[in-house]
Amino acid sequence: DAEITQSPRHKITETGRQVTLACHQTWNHNNMFWYRQDLGHGLRLIHYSYGVQDTNKGEVSDGYSVSRSNTEDLPLTLESAASSQTSVYFCASSELGSNEQFFGPGTRLTVL
Amino acid sequence: AQSVTQLDSHVSVSEGTPVLLRCNYSSSYSPSLFWYVQHPNKGLQLLLKYTSAATPVKGINGFEAEFKKSETSFHLTKPSAHMSDAAEYFCVVSVPFTSGTYKYIFGTGTRLKVLA
Repeated sequence: DAEITQSPRHKITETGRQVTLACHQTWNHNNMFWYRQDLGHGLRLIHYSYGVQDTNKGEVSDGYSVSRSNTEDLPLTLESAASSQTSVYFCASSELGSNEQFFGPGTRLTVL
Repeated sequence: AQSVTQLDSHVSVSEGTPVLLRCNYSSSYSPSLFWYVQHPNKGLQLLLKYTSAATPVKGINGFEAEFKKSETSFHLTKPSAHMSDAAEYFCVVSVPFTSGTYKYIFGTGTRLKVLA
């Protein structure tokens, strides 16, 4: 069955380290998204991509970057992790032209 | 500008009593609206969606939502709460963005507590 996976599911890192969170989908969806979830804020969009080589900043993109070298993957990189980036991160994907997104299981990141 | 407001951050109900989770939206377009549920330490599960079809919309686990354009509301209801309904619920509006694509705007969530 087609699916969307995230790895790792849990990660503890130290301030200043570079961290990469993986997102892989097997639906062949054009669109992919990264969100962070924090208490009182719901989910906020970090970055998104509407196809290979396309990436765009969302509302909370500072300190994060993404790259899209193929349809299946959209890794999220924290260049220099900060304690403020402790959060749960969700990846999502959608078909071109579709108004519905499908979510991965999430990655809980703790920055000490 | 598009936005979603969940009117209650916390709701407590007794098991067997009705559930009402309130959501208002603001959108320049005919919206597509979704409710998601998130159980503790779990991912997001789609409860139901409204995309210009008939309302009310029926979802999983006995939940239902009614789209009221005049009130710009999309409230989630369930006739009888079960202990397993205790979770966080998110109202989402999907709006056109660029080149036939859409983006999600999330409400801040409502935590439902079910009392025995």
